Amino acid sequence: GAVVSQHPSRVICKSGTSVKIECRSLDFQATTMFWYRQFPKQSLMLMATSNEGSKATYEQGVEKDKFLINHASLTLSTLTVTSAHPEDSSFYICSASSTAPGQPQHFGDGTRLSIL
Amino acid sequence: GQQLNQSPQSMFIQEGEDVSMNCTSSSIFNTWLWYKQDPGEGPVLLIALYKAGELTSNGRLTAQFGITRKDSFLNISASIPSDVGIYFCAGQGDNSGGSNYKLTFGKGTLLTVNP
Repeated sequence: GAVVSQHPSRVICKSGTSVKIECRSLDFQATTMFWYRQFPKQSLMLMATSNEGSKATYEQGVEKDKFLINHASLTLSTLTVTSAHPEDSSFYICSASSTAPGQPQHFGDGTRLSIL
Repeated sequence: GQQLNQSPQSMFIQEGEDVSMNCTSSSIFNTWLWYKQDPGEGPVLLIALYKAGELTSNGRLTAQFGITRKDSFLNISASIPSDVGIYFCAGQGDNSGGSNYKLTFGKGTLLTVNP
């Protein structure tokens, strides 16, 4: 089946650090990737839609200068949490779907971000 | 954002029992998806439903896309301990003018299976 790889799986860093998370579709091309945030015991909250070759579309309330998204190729999207603070600590998950219409999203294994 | 109504929130069952969970929405969706999430991992796709009324099986799992396109259910037969996890329904393509690819998630059903 479709495989989405997310890296790193866990990050622990000091407040003020910028952290980059990578999301790769390993066996299919993805014009669209999605970035989610998940708090403990809650559902996934969509942060932004990453479009290959164009600007990301952010959901209401998500700071685009805080969460920088780059989708430079059909297999790679990155999320950079800039100047991270403890309140940014969370589980971040990406997903991707192939270019074919109506294909389901497949998720990466998530990144546990802990800001000290 | 919009969320689906998923129930039950949690279930505690004995190994071997059957399980049923469902999702309802006020909006029509073009696709219904069911995912399972284990602790510390991303959701894994279980079943995708593309047509109203469609009934699809994947091993011990069976899911249906409601005829009104506003609901879906997931059944698990003869549960085993490894079925433990959080199950999410998701609707895709709500024809409301938003992105056809965006998913709307239910709040999840936490399943516990006692051996």
